[in-house]
Amino acid sequence: ETGVTQSPTHLIKTRGQQVTLRCSSQSGHNTVSWYQQALGQGPQFIFQYYREEENGRGNFPPRFSGLQFPNYSSELNVNALELDDSALYLCASSLGRQGSGETQYFGPGTRLLVL
Amino acid sequence: GQNIDQPTEMTATEGAIVQINCTYQTSGFNGLFWYQQHAGEAPTFLSYNVLDGLEEKGRFSSFLSRSKGYSYLLLKELQMKDSASYLCALYSGTYKYIFGTGTRLKVLA
Repeated sequence: ETGVTQSPTHLIKTRGQQVTLRCSSQSGHNTVSWYQQALGQGPQFIFQYYREEENGRGNFPPRFSGLQFPNYSSELNVNALELDDSALYLCASSLGRQGSGETQYFGPGTRLLVL
Repeated sequence: GQNIDQPTEMTATEGAIVQINCTYQTSGFNGLFWYQQHAGEAPTFLSYNVLDGLEEKGRFSSFLSRSKGYSYLLLKELQMKDSASYLCALYSGTYKYIFGTGTRLKVLA
């Protein structure tokens, strides 16, 4: 148990729809990162938030966006869903600003299927 | 760019020792992580190497050689529960983790 929770656990959407995934970090963890993990692949970094501001982004289009809230919860929003967006979405939290390679604690993930 | 290579699959016997290699090509990074991921579950932290050398933690050890662009995870006294994927990840310091595709380890009785 990492103390990081995600909801929902599974989700089915159709192409073109929008989806919001939620994450609740450990209390006191100011940094949250989101990852996309396709089947048989390693997690791909989407973006990171520190104290409610985005402070790093991977190679994902603008239709992937996020929010972080003061209560250590965060959201990943994906607009105009495509079939290739089908994957496991992981959030990971850590204590401070990730300039020091702090250990990340992953949530159980949300499995998204786009039809 | 940063390319990370790991073997796709490995098989070993209960009680044995296995070494999972990770090679990378990158212009620079702060440190290298190893994570364990059981099927259908989230990755869990195993080790973090910043300096060259061996870091030992119980049955698991991790080694890093920056000059050779190489790391390995060593698992001793293998147990059935060690069957999982093992992910190597570079921490670039620009707030990014770059993960390899992972090595799926099967431990046989």
